[in-house]
Amino acid sequence: SQKIEQNSEALNIQEGKTATLTCNYTNYSPAYLQWYRQDPGRGPVFLLLIRENEKEKRKERLKVTFDTTLKQSLFHITASQPADSATYLCAWASGGSYIPTFGRGTSLIVHP
Amino acid sequence: GAVVSQHPSWVICKSGTSVKIECRSLDFQATTMFWYRQFPKQSLMLMATSNEGSKATYEQGVEKDKFLINHASLTLSTLTVTSAHPEDSSFYICSAKSGGTTDTQYFGPGTRLTVL
Repeated sequence: SQKIEQNSEALNIQEGKTATLTCNYTNYSPAYLQWYRQDPGRGPVFLLLIRENEKEKRKERLKVTFDTTLKQSLFHITASQPADSATYLCAWASGGSYIPTFGRGTSLIVHP
Repeated sequence: GAVVSQHPSWVICKSGTSVKIECRSLDFQATTMFWYRQFPKQSLMLMATSNEGSKATYEQGVEKDKFLINHASLTLSTLTVTSAHPEDSSFYICSAKSGGTTDTQYFGPGTRLTVL
């Protein structure tokens, strides 16, 4: 079955640095990957979507890359701020159902 | 942007009682709504997908008689946890999208259910 793997260990970085989070998937390439932010006790908030034929997507301080050879997506936050501290979820969706399957998320902690 | 609300935001109930959770899309018509369950430090697990006016499609392992889903209008879906037990305690989150195969899902704020 399809698996979405995100680093379960929290990522601790210093304010101003670039945070890089990893999402790996097994088996089939998705039609697209999505990244969400989730704060404690809250629902996820959509950030970015990247399709299988795209290499990179940007939105303000956020950047997502997609490497179908490595079966991996990287999520970058440049000039990170303490307010960026949250759990970031990766979601995979196939061309068949377009219903996303979520990874467990990686907790990001930005220290002032 | 699109807003999805959930009510209540938290609920505590006794074992054996039923609990209803509402999910509303406030500023768009949601042709499809999804219900997820999330345990602490775990990923969102899809429970069911519902399209307005039709029966919900449940994921494998989710009891449809225990988790009743109704999507009676384009802005409202309800999840009823029947005869709740402590193991049903979890964070329940709904999401909605307006249509198409790749339209973004908008998530509600979630409902924390605690069954005593």
